[in-house]
Amino acid sequence: AQSVTQLGSHVSVSEGALVLLRCNYSSSVPPYLFWYVQYPNQGLQLLLKYTSAATLVKGINGFEAEFKKSETSFHLTKPSAHMSDAAEYFCAVSDGGATNKLIFGTGTLLAVQP
Amino acid sequence: DTAVSQTPKYLVTQMGNDKSIKCEQNLGHDTMYWYKQDSKKFLKIMFSYNNKELIINETVPNRFSPKSPDKAHLNLHINSLELGDSAVYFCASSHSGRPQYEQYFGPGTRLTVT
Repeated sequence: AQSVTQLGSHVSVSEGALVLLRCNYSSSVPPYLFWYVQYPNQGLQLLLKYTSAATLVKGINGFEAEFKKSETSFHLTKPSAHMSDAAEYFCAVSDGGATNKLIFGTGTLLAVQP
Repeated sequence: DTAVSQTPKYLVTQMGNDKSIKCEQNLGHDTMYWYKQDSKKFLKIMFSYNNKELIINETVPNRFSPKSPDKAHLNLHINSLELGDSAVYFCASSHSGRPQYEQYFGPGTRLTVT
């Protein structure tokens, strides 16, 4: 069965600092991994996804993530945080079956300090 | 144009009432989902329909009944509402068959049961 663990329910960084949000997965099949962002009172927006084409995945708003099979990780990074990055971030893994069910991590709330 | 829309955005009702949430997508997808996000922001799949056929039915009280009149619509009807049903309900859609296809989320419906 697939699962996702996000380390750190709250992360605070200064504007301009590196953003690192951690995600580890467990999957019995080659995983398909996603990062979604949720701004206050809004739905989820896809940041990026890993579909086995390339281990370093670039997404929107300057975010990227690297798939590391040996570490079962898919951490999200951004070189320089902006105030507008403050949001909840979710890592998710697809179950890989016909239903494409997404299993979400518990989320990480990113705060950006001026 | 809104890709995945939900109505209503807010729903406040009393215990014991019956209510419905509607979802529509104009992306041409053939699979739609309902997720529940609890007060701790945890997201969990409830149901999924593919071409009007139910393909995911997680452990959800049978007071919850999804209905899909066509591929573009998925409604959620809830009978005898309870306090614990208070949450944000998200509709999502995607293409079927390949797990690398991301899901597109609606803006959510915040249900408050008093």
